[in-house]
Amino acid sequence: DAGVIQSPRHEVTEMGQEVTLRCKPISGHNSLFWYRQTMMRGLELLIYFNNNVPIDDSGMPEDRFSAKMPNASFSTLKIQPSEPRDSAVYFCASSLGTVGTEAFFGQGTRLTVV
Amino acid sequence: SQKIEQNSEALNIQEGKTATLTCNYTNYSPAYLQWYRQDPGRGPVFLLLIRENEKEKRKERLKVTFDTTLKQSLFHITASQPADSATYLCALDHNTGGFKTIFGAGTRLFVKA
Repeated sequence: DAGVIQSPRHEVTEMGQEVTLRCKPISGHNSLFWYRQTMMRGLELLIYFNNNVPIDDSGMPEDRFSAKMPNASFSTLKIQPSEPRDSAVYFCASSLGTVGTEAFFGQGTRLTVV
Repeated sequence: SQKIEQNSEALNIQEGKTATLTCNYTNYSPAYLQWYRQDPGRGPVFLLLIRENEKEKRKERLKVTFDTTLKQSLFHITASQPADSATYLCALDHNTGGFKTIFGAGTRLFVKA
């Protein structure tokens, strides 16, 4: 398996634009996580899915953020409208369970909002 | 408030020595504690997981201890090598009505040849 695949690797967009980040988890994994990493706040859990169902989205910062998982092999994180403070590295991770199992991270998407 | 604290200052050690990294937490009751390694520009990579009823776990040159009384985990790398230089993150799995994995900010380790 190629691991968790995220796209794009880098995204530069203007404030107010919509941004969509994509993730393909490892085949067979039933849990998917979206994290955001910044120097100030470290790695923050935004939302996680189990069997394609959102379980906990309490980490989603605002209504501008939304995430979907239409099937077991694809998830998106959308920011609309984007703001400069959304600039960060966004990671997607997948695992065989939600707890007590190792998470496999993608390479991340570096988002810059200007 | 709930906190996970790792040494914010970088740890510099000489090749061959043992590196010891600390993870302290408050107001959590984690069922599991994990350690990850992160290299610049890459996602974290899982290293070790230890359960709340385990005191110690080893894997090759790595050792993790977990003291739920002190609310602390120690991560040791023995016979350290320059290739061990990276940021090391601790993560707690705790139950808040559903399990969540919460990460510490990480400690940068530099191993000098």
